Amino acid sequence: EVQLVQSGAQVKKPGESLKISCKASEYSFTSHWIGWVRHVPGKGLEWVGIIFPRDSDNRYSRSFDGRVTISVDKSVNTAYLQWGSLRASDSGLYYCARHRAPRLEEAFDSWGQGTLITVSS
Amino acid sequence: DIQMTQFPSTLSASVGDRITITCRASQNIDKSLAWYQHKPGKAPKLLIYKASNLESGVPSRFSGSGSGTEFTLTISGLQPDDFATYYCQQYESYSLHTFGQGSKLEI
Repeated sequence: EVQLVQSGAQVKKPGESLKISCKASEYSFTSHWIGWVRHVPGKGLEWVGIIFPRDSDNRYSRSFDGRVTISVDKSVNTAYLQWGSLRASDSGLYYCARHRAPRLEEAFDSWGQGTLITVSS
Repeated sequence: DIQMTQFPSTLSASVGDRITITCRASQNIDKSLAWYQHKPGKAPKLLIYKASNLESGVPSRFSGSGSGTEFTLTISGLQPDDFATYYCQQYESYSLHTFGQGSKLEI
């Protein structure tokens, strides 16, 4: 069974940096696009971006482009989402998720448990 | 970018009812559309992919249809476990992928 295990909740101050992780197992990590989705209660799900681990090709939502960086470490089957300078508006529950088949035009079939990010002074 | 308009934003129904949620794309996305169920405190769950394909393990009371710009999710014979928020997502290869605004299904 595919597993995506995310790092724990974080409380940060505005201006701080942060990197959260998503460790994948039980499938070929380099074959499937993997991405991040944010959920803010009352605002629904927001697609953040995706990355193809084999060559690090990536796509970012215009809302998040320039604010976050998605990366991978193939040696440990892990994807990352990082911020250089957090804002209160970055708060939310962030899920990682995997494309169900090895192609760009695909749905997310497996999800991590979510990482809650709280940014507050 | 392709915009997804989903409606209704909220709907009330009873156990046993049949309900339909609609999603409209601002451009032709062929059949590159998925439906997810999301409950508080849980990760979203894929129900339908490629507009009408039922994900493995999902009950057959869920069905999807449509192509191009208009899509629907139908739940026939609502069960207590079905009360949740539902999202569509387009994943056309030429575009950034986007979710609809969500439809909250209430008892």
